[in-house]
Amino acid sequence: AQSVAQPEDQVNVAEGNPLTVKCTYSVSGNPYLFWYVQYPNRGLQFLLKYITGDNLVKGSYGFEAEFNKSQTSFHLKKPSALVSDSALYFCAVRDDTGGFKTIFGAGTRLFVKA
Amino acid sequence: DADVTQTPRNRITKTGKRIMLECSQTKGHDRMYWYRQDPGLGLRLIYYSFDVKDINKGEISDGYSVSRQAQAKFSLSLESAIPNQTALYFCATSEQGSNEQYFGPGTRLTVT
Repeated sequence: AQSVAQPEDQVNVAEGNPLTVKCTYSVSGNPYLFWYVQYPNRGLQFLLKYITGDNLVKGSYGFEAEFNKSQTSFHLKKPSALVSDSALYFCAVRDDTGGFKTIFGAGTRLFVKA
Repeated sequence: DADVTQTPRNRITKTGKRIMLECSQTKGHDRMYWYRQDPGLGLRLIYYSFDVKDINKGEISDGYSVSRQAQAKFSLSLESAIPNQTALYFCATSEQGSNEQYFGPGTRLTVT
């Protein structure tokens, strides 16, 4: 069965410092991995995805994520955090065995302090 | 995302009432989804549709029904609302074969 875990409910970082939001997953086949961001009173917005290829994926707003197959992880990163990055971040996974269902993590709240 | 709209944005209703949430999209996507979001639980899939004549249950469909009236419209109904259906509801769309989903702004439903 597919599953995704975001081990941190909240991540606090100072503006200008690098940030990491962690995600680990479990799927039967090869994973399709996603990150979404949710700002207050808004729906989820797609940030980036890993399907195949380079393990380092670049996305919107300067975010990137690194796929690590041996550790079954897909951590979200940004070299220099902005206060405006403060939001709720969701990791999601589906597999390539023909199923379409996407499983979302519980979410990690990122708080960037000025 | 203005391409996916949801009405109403907020709704307070009483136990036992029937309520319908509407979703419309201008993205031209075939696939549409309804999720609910609860704090600490992420998003859970209620129903999904890959075509106008296609309706499928998700992981938490009990107490809900849907209608896909046209490619652009997908409505969610609560036949007899109960307090534990208080949640934030999201509609989403995706292209056939594509992987990422596009979400509406959400409907905050409170059942008293």
